[in-house]
Amino acid sequence: GENVEQHPSTLSVQEGDSAVIKCTYSDSASNYFPWYKQELGKRPQLIIDIRSNVGEKKDQRIAVTLNKTAKHFSLHITETQPEDSAVYFCAAANPLLYSSASKIIFGSGTRLSIRP
Amino acid sequence: DAGITQSPRHKVTETGTPVTLRCHQTENHRYMYWYRQDPGHGLRLIHYSYGVKDTDKGEVSDGYSVSRSKTEDFLLTLESATSSQTSVYFCAIGAGVTDTQYFGPGTRLTVL
Repeated sequence: GENVEQHPSTLSVQEGDSAVIKCTYSDSASNYFPWYKQELGKRPQLIIDIRSNVGEKKDQRIAVTLNKTAKHFSLHITETQPEDSAVYFCAAANPLLYSSASKIIFGSGTRLSIRP
Repeated sequence: DAGITQSPRHKVTETGTPVTLRCHQTENHRYMYWYRQDPGHGLRLIHYSYGVKDTDKGEVSDGYSVSRSKTEDFLLTLESATSSQTSVYFCAIGAGVTDTQYFGPGTRLTVL
Protein backbone atom coordinates (compact mmCIF):
# COMPACT_ATOMS: atom_id res chain seq x y z
CA GLY A 1 0.00 0.00 0.00
CA GLU A 2 0.86 3.66 -0.12
CA ASN A 3 3.38 5.12 2.31
CA VAL A 4 3.98 8.85 2.67
CA GLU A 5 7.04 10.22 4.46
CA GLN A 6 7.25 13.89 5.42
CA HIS A 7 10.31 15.92 6.47
CA PRO A 8 11.21 17.75 8.56
CA SER A 9 8.97 17.07 11.54
CA THR A 10 9.69 20.55 12.93
CA LEU A 11 10.88 23.69 11.17
CA SER A 12 11.66 27.13 12.53
CA VAL A 13 12.29 30.04 10.16
CA GLN A 14 12.76 33.77 10.55
CA GLU A 15 9.80 35.89 9.56
CA GLY A 16 10.18 36.90 5.92
CA ASP A 17 12.32 33.89 5.01
CA SER A 18 11.14 30.89 2.99
CA ALA A 19 10.08 27.49 4.29
CA VAL A 20 10.21 24.19 2.42
CA ILE A 21 8.55 20.93 3.45
CA LYS A 22 9.18 17.73 1.53
CA CYS A 23 7.21 14.51 1.09
CA THR A 24 7.89 11.24 -0.66
CA TYR A 25 5.36 8.58 -1.62
CA SER A 26 5.62 4.96 -2.65
CA ASP A 27 2.59 4.16 -4.86
CA SER A 28 3.21 5.15 -8.46
CA ALA A 29 -0.57 5.04 -9.07
CA SER A 30 -1.15 8.03 -6.77
CA ASN A 31 -2.02 11.12 -8.78
CA TYR A 32 -3.43 13.64 -6.32
CA PHE A 33 -1.28 15.42 -3.73
CA PRO A 34 -2.97 17.87 -1.34
CA TRP A 35 -1.47 19.93 1.46
CA TYR A 36 -3.41 20.73 4.62
CA LYS A 37 -2.72 23.33 7.29
CA GLN A 38 -3.82 22.83 10.88
CA GLU A 39 -3.64 25.73 13.29
CA LEU A 40 -3.49 25.01 16.99
CA GLY A 41 -6.77 23.57 18.27
CA LYS A 42 -8.44 23.71 14.87
CA ARG A 43 -9.33 21.31 12.09
CA PRO A 44 -7.06 20.68 9.07
CA GLN A 45 -7.89 22.76 6.01
CA LEU A 46 -6.74 22.40 2.43
CA ILE A 47 -4.29 25.12 1.34
CA ILE A 48 -3.15 23.85 -2.05
CA ASP A 49 -3.16 20.67 -4.11
CA ILE A 50 -1.52 19.35 -7.26
CA ARG A 51 -2.37 16.61 -9.71
CA SER A 52 0.08 14.41 -11.53
CA ASN A 53 -0.34 16.11 -14.89
CA VAL A 54 1.14 19.31 -13.45
CA GLY A 55 4.70 19.91 -12.24
CA GLU A 56 4.14 23.08 -10.24
CA LYS A 57 1.27 25.13 -8.89
CA LYS A 58 1.31 28.51 -7.17
CA ASP A 59 -1.17 30.44 -5.07
CA GLN A 60 0.21 33.77 -3.85
CA ARG A 61 3.01 32.95 -1.35
CA ILE A 62 2.44 29.19 -1.52
CA ALA A 63 3.68 26.81 -4.19
CA VAL A 64 3.82 23.06 -4.60
CA THR A 65 6.16 21.13 -6.89
CA LEU A 66 5.83 17.52 -7.98
CA ASN A 67 8.47 15.15 -9.34
CA LYS A 68 6.64 11.97 -10.39
CA THR A 69 9.79 10.19 -11.49
CA ALA A 70 11.36 10.59 -8.06
CA LYS A 71 7.99 10.27 -6.28
CA HIS A 72 8.39 13.39 -4.22
CA PHE A 73 6.55 16.67 -3.83
CA SER A 74 7.29 19.80 -1.84
CA LEU A 75 5.50 22.76 -0.30
CA HIS A 76 7.19 26.15 -0.56
CA ILE A 77 6.10 29.15 1.49
CA THR A 78 7.78 32.46 0.66
CA GLU A 79 7.90 35.66 2.72
CA THR A 80 6.69 33.80 5.80
CA GLN A 81 4.42 35.58 8.26
CA PRO A 82 3.43 34.82 11.87
CA GLU A 83 0.08 33.44 10.71
CA ASP A 84 1.93 30.73 8.78
CA SER A 85 2.79 29.07 12.11
CA ALA A 86 0.88 25.77 12.09
CA VAL A 87 1.21 22.05 11.41
CA TYR A 88 1.29 21.16 7.72
CA PHE A 89 0.32 17.76 6.33
CA CYS A 90 0.97 16.35 2.90
CA ALA A 91 -1.05 13.48 1.44
CA ALA A 92 -1.09 11.19 -1.57
CA ALA A 93 -4.23 9.68 -3.10
CA ASN A 94 -4.80 6.72 -5.38
CA PRO A 95 -7.72 7.65 -7.59
CA LEU A 96 -9.68 4.45 -8.21
CA LEU A 97 -13.10 6.06 -8.10
CA TYR A 98 -15.72 4.45 -5.89
CA SER A 99 -13.50 1.48 -5.30
CA SER A 100 -12.42 -0.08 -2.06
CA ALA A 101 -8.88 0.14 -3.46
CA SER A 102 -8.93 3.92 -3.56
CA LYS A 103 -6.98 5.38 -0.67
CA ILE A 104 -5.55 8.61 0.65
CA ILE A 105 -2.60 8.54 3.03
CA PHE A 106 -1.29 11.48 5.04
CA GLY A 107 2.25 12.28 6.07
CA SER A 108 3.07 12.64 9.75
CA GLY A 109 3.09 16.43 9.68
CA THR A 110 5.54 19.32 10.00
CA ARG A 111 5.26 21.85 12.79
CA LEU A 112 6.29 25.20 11.31
CA SER A 113 7.20 28.05 13.65
CA ILE A 114 7.85 31.57 12.41
CA ARG A 115 10.31 33.56 14.55
CA PRO A 116 9.65 37.33 14.78
CA ASP B 1 -16.75 25.47 7.10
CA ALA B 2 -18.54 22.75 5.14
CA GLY B 3 -21.69 21.36 6.74
CA ILE B 4 -20.08 18.70 8.86
CA THR B 5 -20.58 18.09 12.56
CA GLN B 6 -19.28 15.56 15.04
CA SER B 7 -20.82 14.37 18.27
CA PRO B 8 -19.90 14.24 21.01
CA ARG B 9 -17.12 16.83 20.94
CA HIS B 10 -15.59 15.52 24.16
CA LYS B 11 -15.94 12.19 25.90
CA VAL B 12 -14.32 10.49 28.85
CA THR B 13 -14.98 6.80 29.26
CA GLU B 14 -13.57 3.77 30.99
CA THR B 15 -11.62 0.86 29.56
CA GLY B 16 -13.86 -1.89 28.25
CA THR B 17 -16.91 0.24 27.55
CA PRO B 18 -18.38 0.65 24.05
CA VAL B 19 -18.20 4.09 22.45
CA THR B 20 -19.88 5.44 19.32
CA LEU B 21 -18.88 8.65 17.60
CA ARG B 22 -21.14 10.25 15.04
CA CYS B 23 -20.31 12.26 11.95
CA HIS B 24 -23.11 14.12 10.19
CA GLN B 25 -22.91 16.02 6.90
CA THR B 26 -25.31 18.20 4.96
CA GLU B 27 -23.20 18.40 1.78
CA ASN B 28 -24.34 15.12 0.19
CA HIS B 29 -20.71 14.06 -0.38
CA ARG B 30 -20.17 10.43 -1.31
CA TYR B 31 -16.96 9.86 0.65
CA MET B 32 -16.67 10.00 4.41
CA TYR B 33 -13.58 9.27 6.50
CA TRP B 34 -12.59 8.69 10.09
CA TYR B 35 -9.08 9.66 11.22
CA ARG B 36 -7.31 9.67 14.52
CA GLN B 37 -4.68 12.25 15.35
CA ASP B 38 -1.91 11.56 17.84
CA PRO B 39 1.32 13.49 18.49
CA GLY B 40 4.07 12.33 16.14
CA HIS B 41 1.70 10.31 13.95
CA GLY B 42 -0.22 12.94 12.06
CA LEU B 43 -3.57 11.90 10.64
CA ARG B 44 -4.09 8.15 10.37
CA LEU B 45 -7.03 6.75 8.46
CA ILE B 46 -9.19 4.36 10.49
CA HIS B 47 -12.04 3.55 8.08
CA TYR B 48 -13.71 5.25 5.19
CA SER B 49 -16.87 4.98 3.17
CA TYR B 50 -17.31 5.46 -0.57
CA GLY B 51 -21.09 5.14 -0.52
CA VAL B 52 -24.03 4.04 1.60
CA LYS B 53 -23.17 0.65 3.10
CA ASP B 54 -19.79 0.69 1.28
CA THR B 55 -16.91 0.89 3.72
CA ASP B 56 -13.29 -0.18 3.86
CA LYS B 57 -10.43 -0.32 6.31
CA GLY B 58 -7.69 2.24 6.63
CA GLU B 59 -4.24 2.05 8.20
CA VAL B 60 -5.32 1.58 11.82
CA SER B 61 -8.66 -0.21 11.77
CA ASP B 62 -8.10 -2.80 14.52
CA GLY B 63 -10.54 -2.26 17.41
CA TYR B 64 -12.84 -0.03 15.35
CA SER B 65 -15.94 -0.66 13.27
CA VAL B 66 -18.05 1.69 11.17
CA SER B 67 -21.49 1.88 9.67
CA ARG B 68 -23.11 4.08 7.07
CA SER B 69 -26.81 3.46 6.61
CA LYS B 70 -27.51 6.80 4.94
CA THR B 71 -25.51 9.38 3.02
CA GLU B 72 -25.37 11.95 5.80
CA ASP B 73 -24.24 9.81 8.74
CA PHE B 74 -21.05 7.84 9.37
CA LEU B 75 -20.67 6.15 12.75
CA LEU B 76 -17.42 5.00 14.34
CA THR B 77 -17.69 2.40 17.10
CA LEU B 78 -15.09 1.28 19.58
CA GLU B 79 -16.51 -2.06 20.70
CA SER B 80 -14.42 -2.18 23.88
CA ALA B 81 -12.42 0.97 24.43
CA THR B 82 -8.76 0.75 25.46
CA SER B 83 -6.38 3.43 26.74
CA SER B 84 -4.47 3.26 23.43
CA GLN B 85 -7.59 4.63 21.74
CA THR B 86 -7.31 7.91 23.64
CA SER B 87 -6.97 10.38 20.79
CA VAL B 88 -8.56 13.18 18.82
CA TYR B 89 -10.88 11.78 16.16
CA PHE B 90 -11.64 13.71 13.00
CA CYS B 91 -14.32 12.96 10.48
CA ALA B 92 -13.89 14.24 6.93
CA ILE B 93 -16.06 14.36 3.83
CA GLY B 94 -15.32 14.71 0.15
CA ALA B 95 -16.74 14.20 -3.30
CA GLY B 96 -13.99 11.71 -4.14
CA VAL B 97 -10.56 10.50 -3.08
CA THR B 98 -8.94 13.06 -5.36
CA ASP B 99 -11.08 15.95 -4.18
CA THR B 100 -10.78 18.32 -1.25
CA GLN B 101 -11.53 16.80 2.12
CA TYR B 102 -13.44 18.92 4.58
CA PHE B 103 -12.81 18.07 8.18
CA GLY B 104 -15.19 18.16 11.09
CA PRO B 105 -14.33 19.94 14.36
CA GLY B 106 -12.97 16.78 15.99
CA THR B 107 -13.86 14.68 19.03
CA ARG B 108 -11.48 14.41 21.94
CA LEU B 109 -11.82 10.93 23.46
CA THR B 110 -10.15 9.95 26.71
CA VAL B 111 -10.19 6.32 27.82
CA LEU B 112 -9.26 5.88 31.47
